[in-house]
Amino acid sequence: TQLLEQSPQFLSIQEGENLTVYCNSSSVFSSLQWYRQEPGEGPVLLVTVVTGGEVKKLKRLTFQFGDARKDSSLHITAAQPGDTGLYLCAGENTGGFKTIFGAGTRLFVKA
Amino acid sequence: NAGVTQTPKFQVLKTGQSMTLQCAQDMNHEYMSWYRQDPGMGLRLIHYSVGAGITDQGEVPNGYNVSRSTTEDFPLRLLSAAPSQTSVYFCASSEDGQGYNEQYFGPGTRLTVT
Repeated sequence: TQLLEQSPQFLSIQEGENLTVYCNSSSVFSSLQWYRQEPGEGPVLLVTVVTGGEVKKLKRLTFQFGDARKDSSLHITAAQPGDTGLYLCAGENTGGFKTIFGAGTRLFVKA
Repeated sequence: NAGVTQTPKFQVLKTGQSMTLQCAQDMNHEYMSWYRQDPGMGLRLIHYSVGAGITDQGEVPNGYNVSRSTTEDFPLRLLSAAPSQTSVYFCASSEDGQGYNEQYFGPGTRLTVT
């Protein structure tokens, strides 16, 4: 069974700090996605990474896919209160059509 | 476009009752799916469909039924609700179900079974 483990589970930081969230697996994924979810809403896609070693930037967010395509990281520079939310990584099961989600990292950025 | 819509937003059921959670999308997506989200467990796939008339089981299908008679609609049925089914349910759709495609999620249904 493929699993995605996220760390840390919870992160509370001050505005302006940097942080990194990790998504790890013992399995290879053809692609990994990062979603952000706010309270009372469904997840919204931030980025998809498909190539080992790939780095994508979205304003202050930097996403990296591991060379072996088994792990990914999300780095936020100078966090702002608007970054508060639940960050989920997701990958496609090898059987196809079945997406696996990590348990998520809940981020709280204090002003 | 309304995207993915779900009804109801909140529901309380007694053990043994049945109900249907509605999901509709107006993006002409072939792939639709149902997830449940529990604290500390992320989202887990219940059932999915790759097109009208085609459904398959996900990770946690027991206690749930689905059907897909049209491209737009993908209802989830609980035949006999149990307290273990207390959760937040999300419906999602994507163009074709390939892992690199974006899944669009509805706002969720918060279900409590007493």
